[in-house]
Amino acid sequence: KAGVTQTPRYLIKTRGQQVTLSCSPISGHRSVSWYQQTPGQGLQFLFEYFSETQRNKGNFPGRFSGRQFSNSRSEMNVSTLELGDSALYLCASSPYDRDTEAFFGQGTRLTVV
Amino acid sequence: AQSVTQLGSHVSVSEGALVLLRCNYSSSVPPYLFWYVQYPNQGLQLLLKYTTGATLVKGINGFEAEFKKSETSFHLTKPSAHMSDAAEYFCAVSKSSGTYKYIFGTGTRLKVLA
Repeated sequence: KAGVTQTPRYLIKTRGQQVTLSCSPISGHRSVSWYQQTPGQGLQFLFEYFSETQRNKGNFPGRFSGRQFSNSRSEMNVSTLELGDSALYLCASSPYDRDTEAFFGQGTRLTVV
Repeated sequence: AQSVTQLGSHVSVSEGALVLLRCNYSSSVPPYLFWYVQYPNQGLQLLLKYTTGATLVKGINGFEAEFKKSETSFHLTKPSAHMSDAAEYFCAVSKSSGTYKYIFGTGTRLKVLA
């Protein structure tokens, strides 16, 4: 069974640009969540989606947005990039059954220059 | 509000020695607790989880953790460290099943000395 697939793995963008990151969940998983990992702030929750609906949102500015498609694939977008947005962005999928955990992808390393 | 505290950002142990990584949580409701491991340039891999039931939880690679409600702790242990255990370990809490909004601790980097 394939794991969570995140594309691209590495990305370099210029300050002020926008970026879209993609996440394909494990087959059959209906929930997708996103996290930002930085050395200074650690792992911080961004969003959680289920059946194309955002269920939870973390404390991030409106420049961060996301969506989920009918096939459960998800994208997140960051507009007007800032240097501080440089981070490892992790996507996790879950079957949304009781007592289950999140399965994480390898992440997308975003560098803003 | 929920929070997770991991004592010790860096822990060093000798190969074959006991591994003990500490995690304390605060939660107003019975929590769901997790330990994840992260190797360099990788995502997070689940080691073990506590949801309901038995408080001593066994995970992969010989790790285990005990949920102690009275101490609000969920410490991770392994009787004998192996070189391959060198990685960063994260404790996480969620308030219930059905949500994957996890609150993570700041992580503990484990170094195993030959």
